[in-house]
Amino acid sequence: GDSVTQMEGPVTLSEEAFLTINCTYTATGYPSLFWYVQYPGEGLQLLLKATKADDKGSNKGFEATYRKETTSFHLEKGSVQVSDSAVYFCALGGGATNKLIFGTGTLLAVQP
Amino acid sequence: NAGVTQTPKFRILKIGQSMTLQCAQDMNHNYMYWYRQDPGMGLKLIYYSVGAGITDKGEVPNGYNVSRSTTEDFPLRLELAAPSQTSVYFCASSDTSPGARAFFGQGTRLTVV
Repeated sequence: GDSVTQMEGPVTLSEEAFLTINCTYTATGYPSLFWYVQYPGEGLQLLLKATKADDKGSNKGFEATYRKETTSFHLEKGSVQVSDSAVYFCALGGGATNKLIFGTGTLLAVQP
Repeated sequence: NAGVTQTPKFRILKIGQSMTLQCAQDMNHNYMYWYRQDPGMGLKLIYYSVGAGITDKGEVPNGYNVSRSTTEDFPLRLELAAPSQTSVYFCASSDTSPGARAFFGQGTRLTVV
């Protein structure tokens, strides 16, 4: 079935460092791909999405490109801030599935 | 705009007790989902619904039941609580399909002792 695999955490970075969180997927059909973020004690909220191959989603300095050839949707940010500390989830939905499927989440801790 | 509302926010249950986690959305979304999030783990899909009267199992449905009698409400029922059901439960909804943006509730933290 459809699935999402993302890199294990935690990821610990210093402020202004470059961030990459890897995400790969397996899917039948052509799902939309998402990154959701969960701040401590809160529910998930959408960070960015891409709906088809080669689309780039972006928001708040974060970017991810839908790569069909490598089945990937890696999250990047050029300069992280302490306020970016959170758990980041890669997800897929739509296409041939009625489900919204999440990866295991990656904890990001940014130190001043 | 309230979005997705979950109640209660916290609950402690004894082994064998039953309870219903409530979820309501006011966005007229067709798709609704229940997830559990165990400490340090990702989200696991329990049940989902593509519209009123239609529900289906997710990855971890055992020990749970759902119903979807209206578009707005999607309650999750635990019949015989077990310690393994200690978790944080999230309800979510999306509009036209799972390919659309999902909105999440604030979660229900359940402890079974």
